[in-house]
Amino acid sequence: EAGVTQSPTHLIKTRGQQATLRCSPISGHTSVYWYQQALGLGLQFLLWYDEGEERNRGNFPPRFSGRQFPNYSSELNVNALELEDSALYLCASSSGTVTQETQYFGPGTRLLVL
Amino acid sequence: AQKITQTQPGMFVQEKEAVTLDCTYDTSDQSYGLFWYKQPSSGEMIFLIYQGSYDEQNATEGRYSLNFQKARKSANLVISASQLGDSAMYFCAMREVNTGTASKLTFGTGTRLQVTL
Repeated sequence: EAGVTQSPTHLIKTRGQQATLRCSPISGHTSVYWYQQALGLGLQFLLWYDEGEERNRGNFPPRFSGRQFPNYSSELNVNALELEDSALYLCASSSGTVTQETQYFGPGTRLLVL
Repeated sequence: AQKITQTQPGMFVQEKEAVTLDCTYDTSDQSYGLFWYKQPSSGEMIFLIYQGSYDEQNATEGRYSLNFQKARKSANLVISASQLGDSAMYFCAMREVNTGTASKLTFGTGTRLQVTL
């Protein structure tokens, strides 16, 4: 069974541009989560999508947005890129939202903003 | 207040020895889940082990076991018979269920484990 996949693996943008990151969950998983791992800031929760709806977002500005498609894949968009947006963006999926449902992570997208 | 605390930024262990990675947490929820993930230099977060707040037995998964002490709010990861491939960052994480809408993982700052010959 395929795990969570993310594309692209690496992305280089300049300040002010927009970045689009993609995630495909494990087959059968309906929840998708996005996390940012920036140097010195640790892993921070960004967004949670379930059944096509945004259920929760972390403390990030509105220029971080996304969506979930009918096939449960997801897209993270970052507008007006800033240098501090450079980070590893990790996507995770789970099959439900009860406490014990494990989130399985993809390999991440490394975004570099110049 | 920090919800997940990992006080060991770095640890060394000799191959074939056991090592304990510390994790304490803070929550007012009765129902929560505790997870450990491994992150090699490649970046991918690999799920290792889960402990539910109502589980009476400590979780075990192969060489990984979780020493869960609920009253002390600690969930330490024990790796037995360390291997060179265990060298990585290890993150403790908690999942709370507040009103059913939270469903996010809160991570600690991680412990970098280095296994030596």
